[in-house]
Formats: sequence, structure tokens, C-alpha cells
Amino acid sequence: DGGITQSPKYLFRKEGQNVTLSCEQNLNHDAMYWYRQDPGQGLRLIYYSQIVNDFQKGDIAEGYSVSREKKESFPLTVTSAQKNPTAFYLCASSAGGQPQHFGDGTRLSIL
Amino acid sequence: GEDVEQSLFLSVREGDSSVINCTYTDSSSTYLYWYKQEPGAGLQLLTYIFSNMDMKQDQRLTVLLNKKDKHLSLRIADTQTGDSAIYFCAEISSGGYNKLIFGAGTRLAVHP
Repeated sequence: DGGITQSPKYLFRKEGQNVTLSCEQNLNHDAMYWYRQDPGQGLRLIYYSQIVNDFQKGDIAEGYSVSREKKESFPLTVTSAQKNPTAFYLCASSAGGQPQHFGDGTRLSIL
Repeated sequence: GEDVEQSLFLSVREGDSSVINCTYTDSSSTYLYWYKQEPGAGLQLLTYIFSNMDMKQDQRLTVLLNKKDKHLSLRIADTQTGDSAIYFCAEISSGGYNKLIFGAGTRLAVHP
């Protein structure tokens, strides 16, 4: 079945450590997005990519980095510069101006 | 700036109708969306409405759009316990790139 796969489902980060969240889609969508969700808040856009080898900062990009080397993959790295990384991270993709479809999320916590 | 607001909590009895409300600020939004999130899961697209429409119905779901007041609502008929979730309203940002602006979400609790 076509869809978006995020892994791992749960992730723990130590102080000073970078961690990478995986997002893979087999929907053949050009655009991919990363959102952060905190309790009681809506989703906030971290980064987005409209096409391979191109990506743009969203509203809260500081402390995060991404790459888009393949159409189906858009990994997110949470760097040690992100001082409050505990959150639920959601990846989405879309085709053209169509609605965004979401993965099941990765919950990141601090050890 | 762009903003989407929703009430945070709604409690209904099983079998009743639920109405979740949302207000948005960007009058140029072309599409408005409703997503559902169950505990620990991602967002599931429920329905969406194009800005030149007033109403859209899809089985138990009815979306009403009042462009003058920038008000969007989602009505769920015959609400079931499986409808218990957080419902997010979202609009397309005028900044382009299909960027979505989300409300904080309305937690719907369905009780017997």
C-alpha cells in the first residue's frame, strides 16, 4: 500500500547528541514537510521541500537540519543546538496543490 | 499574521451531533482542511472545502464555510465513540508552497 513511513516510533536523545528521524514515502509526491507538535498546540512547520535537492526553512527551523537527496526520502536531524527537542514529529507529503498526507509520527524524548 | 483558532474541548453524548468550530484570518486561502488525530498517531485527512463553496457533505460529515466571517465548522452526525479524537482545522498559507497553518486542535470526547 502507498503511504508515509516514519521511523523510529520512539527515540531518545542524550545531551549534546544529534539524532536523525526517518521519513520515507512511496506516493510519488514531490513535496515533503516536517512538523513539530507540542501538547495543546497545533503543528508548526520546521522544513519543507518542493523538489529533490531543494528545501526551505519553515517557521521553527533553528536547531534542525534536513536533506532531500531522493524523492522518496526526507530525513530530519535534530541537532544539539535544539535546546528543547522533546516533541512529537510528523512528516507529510503532497502532490502539487493536493492535501498533505501524514505519517504516524516519531516521539522524541530527552534522556 | 496568519492565525487559526479553535475551541479546545467538546464533549457530546453518543448518537448526538458534534459541531467543531474554527476561525481563520487569511481571506485568500483557497482550501480549508479538517484533520483527525487519534492518540499517538499521525493526522488523517477527513475532508476539505474549496473557498468558493459554502457547504460540503461526505457521509456523516458536513463542512460549512462562511467566508464573510472567516468561519469554518465541521458537523459530525450520529457521533460514535470511535470519533473521539483531536480535530484540527487548517488553512493554506498565502505564502505559497502548500504551507498549512493549523489551529491548536479540538479534543472531542464522546460519552455513552
